[in-house]
Amino acid sequence: EIVLTQSPGTLSLSPGERATLSCRASQSIDSNYFAWYQQKSGQAPRLLIYGGFSRATGIPDRFSGSGSGKDFTLTISRLEPEDFGVYYCQQYSSAPRTFGQGTKVEIK
Amino acid sequence: QMQLQESGPGLVKPSETLSLTCNVSGGSISRYYWSWIRQPPGKRLEWIGYVFFSGFTNYNPSLKSRVTMSVDTSKNQFSLELTSVTAADTAVYYCAGHPGAIRHFDYWGQGTLVTVSS
Repeated sequence: EIVLTQSPGTLSLSPGERATLSCRASQSIDSNYFAWYQQKSGQAPRLLIYGGFSRATGIPDRFSGSGSGKDFTLTISRLEPEDFGVYYCQQYSSAPRTFGQGTKVEIK
Repeated sequence: QMQLQESGPGLVKPSETLSLTCNVSGGSISRYYWSWIRQPPGKRLEWIGYVFFSGFTNYNPSLKSRVTMSVDTSKNQFSLELTSVTAADTAVYYCAGHPGAIRHFDYWGQGTLVTVSS
């Protein structure tokens, strides 16, 4: 199965700053089958990005996804207070679909 | 906007069967594929498998021998059974919906904690 490794483990930033989250796959992935989710404490994950770069319904344009092959990135252009939480990458290119271990974005 | 809600026992004894149900509201269960995903404490999310309204299933090979999923279209619900549980099966279990067999997870339930302990 494909292993996804996210970095950094924790990102400490202030509102208004830019956040760059990385996800590396153990083997090449079709970017059309890659997603990012946000999870806040005690809540279910929420879909942010699918198909590598398409924003889900209602997701603001400060969130953007990019990447190809083994390396993928989620960028939050200007952090808002509601953006703090844990972010997971996920691939559904190869069975079984797998998730990264998460990056926590916390308030500095 | 579809909403999902998991239900089932929060405590299961070792070697017994874990049974959960996910109720789908706000839309027909025949529109989507339905997955179960779990997250053990401090660990990453793990996809367990999916079921389609026709009854077609696809399971994670790591759990395939112990998993059964089913759909009840009359109740707009789908279910998970995991047999011979151990402490390693302790996790928050989520149900989720996706628009195709190989697609992202659009909708998620709130999750339910299942603890395996005697």
